[in-house]
Amino acid sequence: ILNVEQSPQSLHVQEGDSTNFTCSFPSSNFYALHWYRWETAKSPEALFVMTLNGDEKKKGRISATLNTKEGYSYLYIKGSQPEDSATYLCAFPPRDDKIIFGKGTRLHILP
Amino acid sequence: DTAVSQTPKYLVTQMGNDKSIKCEQNLGHDTMYWYKQDSKKFLKIMFSYNNKELIINETVPNRFSPKSPDKAHLNLHINSLELGDSAVYFCASSHVRAYEQYFGPGTRLTVT
Repeated sequence: ILNVEQSPQSLHVQEGDSTNFTCSFPSSNFYALHWYRWETAKSPEALFVMTLNGDEKKKGRISATLNTKEGYSYLYIKGSQPEDSATYLCAFPPRDDKIIFGKGTRLHILP
Repeated sequence: DTAVSQTPKYLVTQMGNDKSIKCEQNLGHDTMYWYKQDSKKFLKIMFSYNNKELIINETVPNRFSPKSPDKAHLNLHINSLELGDSAVYFCASSHVRAYEQYFGPGTRLTVT
């Protein structure tokens, strides 16, 4: 059974601080890895799609790295702002099976 | 200019009824999905569908069925609704499976 783990489940960060969290996925049968941001009462929105080992993607203060050989991806947020408060999901679409979403990391930015 | 739309936004119905939720995307995507946000707020895939392949999550009861009249629509039919079906259901689409998904606004289903 394929499993996608995210840690930590929940995180409180002071405004202005930087933070990061992890997504672990099966290293075999890799196809792609997605990161989404999901704000309360809204729909998930795609942040990154990562496909190559060693990929680094950046969007403003948010960046992500990918290690397909060991099966993990990190999401980094630099200089956290209140609008960064959300649940961050990673998703793993295996080559021949259904997509699996992690349970997310719920990020709270403290003023 | 909504990319992925769902109707209705809210649906309140009684146990035993049959209902449908509609989903439309105007992105020209090939693959569409249905998700259920469970009671712990986690997102679980129910179906993914393109014109060649339907992938079903084996944990989904067969009372749930996707129906695609064309590439831009994937509707969710639910027969004999049960209390446990109460949840938020999200539709999504992507160009191909590896690409990012675009989500609809969600439909909150309440079964009484």
